[in-house]
Amino acid sequence: EAGVTQSPTHLIKTRGQQATLRCSPISGHTSVYWYQQALGLGLQFLLWYDEGEERNRGNFPPRFSGRQFPNYSSELNVNALELEDSALYLCASSSRLGGPDTQYFGPGTRLTVL
Amino acid sequence: DAKTTQPPSMDCAEGRAANLPCNHSTISGNEYVYWYRQIHSQGPQYIIHGLKNNETNEMASLIITEDRKSSTLILPHATLRDTAVYYCIVRPFNYGGSQGNLIFGKGTKLSVKP
Repeated sequence: EAGVTQSPTHLIKTRGQQATLRCSPISGHTSVYWYQQALGLGLQFLLWYDEGEERNRGNFPPRFSGRQFPNYSSELNVNALELEDSALYLCASSSRLGGPDTQYFGPGTRLTVL
Repeated sequence: DAKTTQPPSMDCAEGRAANLPCNHSTISGNEYVYWYRQIHSQGPQYIIHGLKNNETNEMASLIITEDRKSSTLILPHATLRDTAVYYCIVRPFNYGGSQGNLIFGKGTKLSVKP
């Protein structure tokens, strides 16, 4: 079974640009979560999508947004990039069917803002 | 804030058992204990979870105390590839729904030495 995939692996942007990161969940999973891990910091929750709807967002400004598509894949958009947005962005997916929904993570996208 | 307390770092000799403790003294009756690990700059890897009974899978064993206020993750025969940051996470289980995002603390950095 294929795991969570993310693209691109690395992304380099300049300050003020927009970045788009993509995530494909495990087949059958309907929930997608986005997390940010800045250098030396812990994993911070960004956004949660389930069945195409945004269910919750973390303490991040509105320039962090995203969406979930009918096939449950998701994209994260970061507008007006700032230097401090440089981080590893992780996507996780889970299924609500039967029991606690264990989240499985992708390999991440390393975003560098110059 | 994370609801768990873990030692910041631990060492373990290769081939020996690694016992990683976690304190979750305020855990509620409907909350599970999850363990993840993150090898440098990779996505977190799910290890195991449990409610009140001890659990074992191909990766590790989870021992939860009878009062559920603490737990221990056991890697029976640690290898160099087990060097990682290990996260203990408490999260509720609501029947019929997803439990939302994970809240990561600082975890325990386990160093397995030859």
